[in-house]
Amino acid sequence: KNQVEQSPQSLIILEGKNCTLQCNYTVSPFSNLRWYKQDTGRGPVSLTIMTFSENTKSNGRYTATLDADTKQSSLHITASQLSDSASYICVVQDTGGFKTIFGAGTRLFVKA
Amino acid sequence: DAGVIQSPRHEVTEMGQEVTLRCKLISGHNSLFWYRQTMMRGLELLIYFNNNVPIDDSGMPEDRFSAKMPNASFSTLKIQPSEPRDSAVYFCASMRQLGETQYFGPGTRLLVL
Repeated sequence: KNQVEQSPQSLIILEGKNCTLQCNYTVSPFSNLRWYKQDTGRGPVSLTIMTFSENTKSNGRYTATLDADTKQSSLHITASQLSDSASYICVVQDTGGFKTIFGAGTRLFVKA
Repeated sequence: DAGVIQSPRHEVTEMGQEVTLRCKLISGHNSLFWYRQTMMRGLELLIYFNNNVPIDDSGMPEDRFSAKMPNASFSTLKIQPSEPRDSAVYFCASMRQLGETQYFGPGTRLLVL
């Protein structure tokens, strides 16, 4: 069964600290993996997209990694800011984009 | 560009009523996606279109749900008759080409009493 599992479910960190969110998937055949940030009451915003051949991709303070062999991805946030408080959703598509599987998300709280 | 536009932003209706949600794509985009998000189930893909053609509607929960794309820039999602369990936030997203960045609209918050 195609699944996307994210951990932790929620996370509280102090402003300025780094954190890493995890995403494990069983979707096959794999096409791409995306990380989205969703602020409360808003639609998700794309952070990164990675295909099978990409190991890492950065977007400002956000760095995503992908290990297609172990089917694991991580999203690392550097020097967190209060505005990073949001839900982070991992999404995996199979080849051809016909199936899109969403993770349940990690809820990040950044405290001053 | 104004981004993906959805209307209404909020909808409160009574069980049994018809609900129509609307979405306008970003100009030049040719793929459109309808999602539903609830606390219990998270984000779920309902249906998506490519070049006005429905590609995958396996996420549409029941026959009460229908989606159309009458032209390249506009889509509707209709629920008839609506039920309380349809209460959720419905997002529309567009993409220039499959596999590229997906842009979400602000969502329609639907409450069925």
